Amino acid sequence: SQQGEEDPQALSIQEGENATMNCSYKTSINNLQWYRQNSGRGLVHLILIRSNEREKHSGRLRVTLDTSKKSSSLLITASRAADTASYFCATGASKDTGRRALTFGSGTRLQVQP
Amino acid sequence: GAGVSQSPRYKVTKRGQDVALRCDPISGHVSLYWYRQALGQGPEFLTYFNYEAQQDKSGLPNDRFSAERPEGSISTLTIQRTEQRDSAMYRCASSPTGQRTEAFFGQGTRLTVV
Repeated sequence: SQQGEEDPQALSIQEGENATMNCSYKTSINNLQWYRQNSGRGLVHLILIRSNEREKHSGRLRVTLDTSKKSSSLLITASRAADTASYFCATGASKDTGRRALTFGSGTRLQVQP
Repeated sequence: GAGVSQSPRYKVTKRGQDVALRCDPISGHVSLYWYRQALGQGPEFLTYFNYEAQQDKSGLPNDRFSAERPEGSISTLTIQRTEQRDSAMYRCASSPTGQRTEAFFGQGTRLTVV
């Protein structure tokens, strides 16, 4: 079963616009990670935010985490056509279930129009 | 090697045959994960190792699926008596110290059961 659920499932924007994707999860976590996947290729790690952090930045990426609402958001600013990909959130160390492997959501498919 | 290596990249097998999928993690990485990914979906957790110990196999769908990592490095995922529903992309990932750090994914093995 999948822990995280991304919203929206699909997003289409123009180059230069910002893209926001949301992730909700169900159990307590130690950290939350975001990954990108281009056209069925391997997944690439983007950013990790720990449960005691509220916001983190990496280049054009901004991630927020609200553990009280069990949700996270990924913001990509000034999007480029090369950002077209599927984006997944993954949760680590579920204290409730004891699972210590990353559990992935179903992803948001982002299309950036040039 | 420089990254996680999976072999074969593509495998076509007849229903009822056994298959073995190989994962060579990044040298020195403690944790190794197996995931299965259907088209348009996020990776679905199968099993997880720390060193040679299988920590969690709760994601294996049934007893036709098994995995091992005998020397704490290379891992093999074996599917016995394959069925058409086993067709999917099988992905392996490794991380230095478990789910508290980022996971590095291989390119996957595309399994097709005919």
